[in-house]
Amino acid sequence: TQLLEQSPQFLSIQEGENLTVYCNSSSVFSSLQWYRQEPGEGPVLLVTVVTGGEVKKLKRLTFQFGDARKDSSLHITAAQPGDTGLYLCAGAGNMDTGRRALTFGSGTRLQVQP
Amino acid sequence: DTGVSQDPRHKITKRGQNVTFRCDPISEHNRLYWYRQTLGQGPEFLTYFQNEAQLEKSRLLSDRFSAERPKGSFSTLEIQRTEQGDSAMYLCASSMGLAIGIMNTGELFFGEGSRLTVL
Repeated sequence: TQLLEQSPQFLSIQEGENLTVYCNSSSVFSSLQWYRQEPGEGPVLLVTVVTGGEVKKLKRLTFQFGDARKDSSLHITAAQPGDTGLYLCAGAGNMDTGRRALTFGSGTRLQVQP
Repeated sequence: DTGVSQDPRHKITKRGQNVTFRCDPISEHNRLYWYRQTLGQGPEFLTYFQNEAQLEKSRLLSDRFSAERPKGSFSTLEIQRTEQGDSAMYLCASSMGLAIGIMNTGELFFGEGSRLTVL
């Protein structure tokens, strides 16, 4: 059972559409990161959010950390084929279990069709 | 190339054999992590080191799994008496960690992984 649940698990959209990926947990984390992973490669960091309610923008990507620091969302505007990949949320500093190392979510596989 | 490197990239073995993976982190990083990832899933935490000290281990790290980082630089992950369920991608990552008591973690830099297939 994944501690961090992501939804949807799989998303196939057309170029230009908008989408939102959700990351939910029952645990409180001190910070949360989003990574993107392409086939045959390791995950690469997109952003870190630390403060409850924090919103960060990275070009067409908008990341939000929930007020209670238990959940997060990633919104992509006008998706492009280059956005295709596996999106992973990861919580650090689990306040409930005391684990400091990153705990990854179940992942959302995004496919953007041209 | 000064990124995280893992060796071997691919390993095919028969059930019951022992396998060892090596990870060379980014040289100035003091933290090193091992994760396991199966197809379509997120990475599962196995263990992490700060310098040579193994600070956390997952319940997934059964007695058949052992990880070492003897000099605080490279690390090895050994799996004894492999089982078919051990087939996965084993990912290593490194980071510049803060003091042990700090909960936050910095950016993890991942290697390309070592893919294990147990026949």
